[in-house]
Amino acid sequence: RKEVEQDPGPFNVPEGATVAFNCTYSNSASQSFFWYRQDCRKEPKLLMSVYSSGNEDGRFTAQLNRASQYISLLIRDSKLSDSATYLCVVNGEGAAGNKLTFGGGTRVLVKP
Amino acid sequence: ETGVTQSPTHLIKTRGQQVTLRCSSQSGHNTVSWYQQALGQGPQFIFQYYREEENGRGNFPPRFSGLQFPNYSSELNVNALELDDSALYLCASTGQQNYGYTFGSGTRLTVV
Repeated sequence: RKEVEQDPGPFNVPEGATVAFNCTYSNSASQSFFWYRQDCRKEPKLLMSVYSSGNEDGRFTAQLNRASQYISLLIRDSKLSDSATYLCVVNGEGAAGNKLTFGGGTRVLVKP
Repeated sequence: ETGVTQSPTHLIKTRGQQVTLRCSSQSGHNTVSWYQQALGQGPQFIFQYYREEENGRGNFPPRFSGLQFPNYSSELNVNALELDDSALYLCASTGQQNYGYTFGSGTRLTVV
């Protein structure tokens, strides 16, 4: 089982619609959580951190469920520019020290 | 404020050769980590350095090694290159891990 798992998609989303997707993680000792956005052939860029109480940044809402070990991202009023791969990232301490683990990414395509 | 810079941007090497990739951390960041991203996959954690000491390592063989310097810049060295080492190598830095990492634009390594 992968440490961080995501549905690879693609999620085909009409412009203006809402899309949501999850990520599950296996290490219950994980300490911090993030969503990154990666455009084709570019580096990942931090979208938002994910807090236990849930947090919102404009059209983006992130939730963390520690009991079930999953993280979610919801995008409201999708824009064409939201088309990208969204990477779930978990930061925790393992046997080899601190470790940042990425999921494989969820591809989102927003269409007119 | 300068971001994370990596050099070179592209590199072609022959199987069996050695390569050194370089990274300059964002100003004020004392933690740097390296990732390997194969096409269509999420980044895979190689290792992390904090104040010149390795404090985390992923599942990569010893021929992947690194250094962090007093100015927090960093190197990734790969010996005995294999064809499967062809990938995008990303460097990321942070001042506080709970606040996320800033990525450089990567070095695209091709091994032939």
